[in-house]
Amino acid sequence: DAGVTQSPTHLIKTRGQQVTLRCSPKSGHDTVSWYQQALGQGPQFIFQYYEEEERQRGNFPDRFSGHQFPNYSSELNVNALLLGDSALYLCASRLRTGTISGELFFGEGSRLTVL
Amino acid sequence: AQSVAQPEDQVNVAEGNPLTVKCTYSVSGNPYLFWYVQYPNRGLQFLLKYITGDNLVKGSYGFEAEFNKSQTSFHLKKPSALVSDSALYFCAVRDPPAAGNKLTFGGGTRVLVKP
Repeated sequence: DAGVTQSPTHLIKTRGQQVTLRCSPKSGHDTVSWYQQALGQGPQFIFQYYEEEERQRGNFPDRFSGHQFPNYSSELNVNALLLGDSALYLCASRLRTGTISGELFFGEGSRLTVL
Repeated sequence: AQSVAQPEDQVNVAEGNPLTVKCTYSVSGNPYLFWYVQYPNRGLQFLLKYITGDNLVKGSYGFEAEFNKSQTSFHLKKPSALVSDSALYFCAVRDPPAAGNKLTFGGGTRVLVKP
């Protein structure tokens, strides 16, 4: 049973560019969340998707957008990259019906470096 | 807004000694509390959770946590630490289902277990 998979694992971009990160949830999960983890800090919630719609959003600018596909996989897009966007981007999945007790399963993350 | 605090940036302990990682929380209703561990360049791994019930929660890899409502704490413990327990530990609180279930993480505590 595959867990949460993310791609790419590492990437380097320059300021102003755009990036797309991809996530496949754990088998059987239908809800995907994205978190940003800057160096030396705890993860910060970006947004959550289920039923192909953004359901909840953290305190991130509109440069951060996402998508969820019918197979529950998801993309995170960041436009007009800033140096401060350099971070580990974590995808997490869960089964929505387990809303009270179900824990999130995290992927290994995508390490983005903006030069 | 819900929050958790981890007052120690780093905890050093000798192998075989008890390990405690501290966490305090601030919530407006019933707390849904979690502990995750992160090894270098990896994603987050779930250790344990408190939703309701017994104040002592047992989790993975021999870890346990004690929920204390009067002290608003949820400290992570292990009776006998291993060198392989050296990692970054995060306490987190989850929003209630009606508010979207997102996780809010503490800043993390680095644990170093010395042989």
